[in-house]
Amino acid sequence: DVKVTQSSRYLVKRTGEKVFLECVQDMDHENMFWYRQDPGLGLRLIYFSYDVKMKEKGDIPEGYSVSREKKERFSLILESASTNQTSMYLCASRGGWGQDSWEQYFGPGTRLTVT
Amino acid sequence: DQQVKQNSPSLSVQEGRISILNCDYTNSMFDYFLWYKKYPAEGPTFLISISSIKDKNEDGRFTVFLNKSAKHLSLHIVPSQPGDSAVYFCAASERTSYDKVIFGPGTSLSVIP
Repeated sequence: DVKVTQSSRYLVKRTGEKVFLECVQDMDHENMFWYRQDPGLGLRLIYFSYDVKMKEKGDIPEGYSVSREKKERFSLILESASTNQTSMYLCASRGGWGQDSWEQYFGPGTRLTVT
Repeated sequence: DQQVKQNSPSLSVQEGRISILNCDYTNSMFDYFLWYKKYPAEGPTFLISISSIKDKNEDGRFTVFLNKSAKHLSLHIVPSQPGDSAVYFCAASERTSYDKVIFGPGTSLSVIP
């Protein structure tokens, strides 16, 4: 079974703090994703990565950056947290290319609260 | 403007009956559609998918129907079970950018015993 783990289930940070959210997958997947989930908006893609040191912006990258130094690990960074970044953050991974491998495997999520 | 819409935020169904979850999309370039299920405190899990070359895909109790002309898809669960109570997300993607999956806002299904 694919396992995607996220470093924290709940996190409380203050406005202006630098925040790191870590994600690790154990299936040697090439592709990894960061989403945020907000009520009424579903999941929105922040960034994704298709290889080590490669990254692509998603639909809402503003205020975020990412790092992928190792294949299994994908980090989301909030350089200066703001209250509008309070949300549920979900990491996902996907292996292979093409339609047969479009399924993404998600971690349990990190509930981040910025006060 | 949301490209994938799920207009029913919630749905309640009696155990044993059919659950029908609906999804509409606006982007005619979408050619692959997925449904994910999410329990509280867990990440979404993949449920079923359908390519635009098909109009139906079935997997056990779950069937997805696609009506391309109406830009509409639906997920049928028959028979519904209490363990099906979860939030269901409809999602869509284009062949040219399949990593950019667009999710709908979700429908919360409650199956009443």
